[in-house]
Amino acid sequence: EVQLVQSGAEVKKPGESLKISCMGSGYSFSTYWIGWVRLMPGKGLEWMGIIYPDDSDTRYSPSFRGQVTISADKSLRTTYLQLSSLKASDTAIYYCARLGYGDVYAMDVWGQGTMVTVSS
Amino acid sequence: EIVMTQSRLSSPVTLGQPASISCRSSQSLAHSDGNTYLSWLQQRPGQPPRLLIYKISTRFSGVPDRFSGSGAGTDFTLNISRVEAEDVGIYYCMQATQFPLTFGGGTKVEIK
Repeated sequence: EVQLVQSGAEVKKPGESLKISCMGSGYSFSTYWIGWVRLMPGKGLEWMGIIYPDDSDTRYSPSFRGQVTISADKSLRTTYLQLSSLKASDTAIYYCARLGYGDVYAMDVWGQGTMVTVSS
Repeated sequence: EIVMTQSRLSSPVTLGQPASISCRSSQSLAHSDGNTYLSWLQQRPGQPPRLLIYKISTRFSGVPDRFSGSGAGTDFTLNISRVEAEDVGIYYCMQATQFPLTFGGGTKVEIK
């Protein structure tokens, strides 16, 4: 079964840092782009950026460039989303999702989401 | 960056009745390879998004045939022929024609 499994919920204080993980299984991990998506309370989905694990080619949304860091370790079949200097406004659910290959060029497999709460 | 704009449903939908959601892009989504990478996703309450339709009109594996997509260029539509209770949620269009990928703002489907 093709799946993406994310790390668990986090509660952080303002100013702290955080690294969320997303592990892929059931497919050729290195050769599919993996993207990260934010869902803030009461808002819509926001595309943050994407990485190609085979060579770590990374593209960011202009809205998130410089605010987050996306990385990958293909030996561990895992991608990461790093947030630093957390603010209350970073409170959200963060999803990873695979960008399909060939005919299905869309976000076809999604992780279960990681809820991040930033509060003093 | 391509901006995606979605319509709002005018009112909750009666079970068994159709629903139609519109999506417009700020520029053509036609790729140089001849494909148009417009997809639709469904997000039920408390769940991650799920791919329904890709390349404008192709249903993803396991998606009921009451869902259909149409359109071209900059204007796209998702149709639900007969709304069922399990269709409640937020629907997003998304373009993958160029980076950065972008989502529409979402359209909420509620049952009357």
